[in-house]
Parts: sequence; C-alpha cells; structure tokens
Amino acid sequence: KAGVTQTPRYLIKTRGQQVTLSCSPISGHRSVSWYQQTPGQGLQFLFEYFSETQRNKGNFPGRFSGRQFSNSRSEMNVSTLELGDSALYLCASSPHLSRGLGSGADTQYFGPGTRLTVL
Amino acid sequence: KQEVTQIPAALSVPEGENLVLNCSFTDSAIYNLQWFRQDPGKGLTSLLLIQSSQREQTSGRLNASLDKSSGRSTLYIAASQPGDSATYLCAVETGNNRKLIWGLGTSLAVNP
Repeated sequence: KAGVTQTPRYLIKTRGQQVTLSCSPISGHRSVSWYQQTPGQGLQFLFEYFSETQRNKGNFPGRFSGRQFSNSRSEMNVSTLELGDSALYLCASSPHLSRGLGSGADTQYFGPGTRLTVL
Repeated sequence: KQEVTQIPAALSVPEGENLVLNCSFTDSAIYNLQWFRQDPGKGLTSLLLIQSSQREQTSGRLNASLDKSSGRSTLYIAASQPGDSATYLCAVETGNNRKLIWGLGTSLAVNP
C-alpha cells in the first residue's frame, strides 16, 4: 500500500507570495490533517479535513486555509507569506476522524513533509 | 497553559548503551502521553501511547513510563542501535478540545 505523499518536497518563496501544498493520503483514508513544524515552536496542528469538510482547526490566522477533494486528496494554501511561515509542513492521513485538535496523531500515517522557505 | 519540555535537546551515545529520554509537562490533567519518532524525510511514527491511568507501556526494546503527579515521562531504549538514530518527540493530549501539545524533541545519534 502506498504511503502518504506530499508535493512538492521543497519550496522557496518570497514574502507576500502565496503557496499551495498538496497531500495524497493512503488509499481509503478519509481524514487528512496538516501540521506546521518549526525549530522554535515545534509541531502545531493546523486543521483536519474529513469527507471534504473541515472538522478541526488549530490556532492559525486566516492566511492558512485548506480543502479536501472527493478523492480525499488535500491541499493547503498560505497567502501573503511571512518570514515566520518558513517551516516543515506535514500531512497525515487516517481512516478515522481524530478525537480533537491533532489528537489522532497516534493513529495517523504521516507524509515526509514539504519544506517551505520564505525569503 | 500546558507546556511540554524535552531534555536533553540532543544526545549522542555509543551503540549498545541503554538510554533514557525525558519529557515533562506542566499540567497533570492529561488524557494520555504519546511518544513518536521522526526520521528526516520520512515523517513521524507513533511509538507508544500511555493512557493517564497507566504507569508504563512497552514495545520491544522501548519502555515508556508516566508519572502524572510529577508531570514526567521517560522513554527507555535498551541496547541502542544505529538504526535508533532519529528525533524522539513526546506529546500530551489535554483539554476539552483534546488538543495534542508537542515537545521540541530529543535528537538521538547512536554511533557504531
């Protein structure tokens, strides 16, 4: 069974631009969660989509948005990029909706991440 | 506000050594504590989950303990191997919204 794939793996953008990251979950998984990981803040939960609906949302500004398609693939968009958005963005999939804000990590399958650098 | 701290931030040991990674949290009102492993370019993998009512969990050479009253957990790795080299993260599930709060991790290098 193929794992979670994320594209692109690396991305360099400049301040003010926008970016779209893509995540393909494991076949049959209906939940996709997104996380941001930085050296200073660690891992932080962004949002979770289940059956094309956002079910849980972390404490991030509205510049961070996402969507999920009928085939469960998900995209995450960040508009008006700031230097502080430089991070590793992780996607995780699961057959089930999580218990809360990122609490399903123990049953999720994580992708390798997209490394975003904002200059 | 729940905070999770992992000490040390980095650790380098020779192969075969038994080692302990530490995790502390500030609020004992947790549902569970989880340990993960992160390998560069490969994502995260869940290692162990300890429910708040449990004292420890074991999986192979890994043993995790939980002392909720003191806000501490340890991950014990027996007979370490170079393949154990990775970053180890702990996280606690807490609050009415079942939020997972993560530590910054301990980067482990096991040298052959």
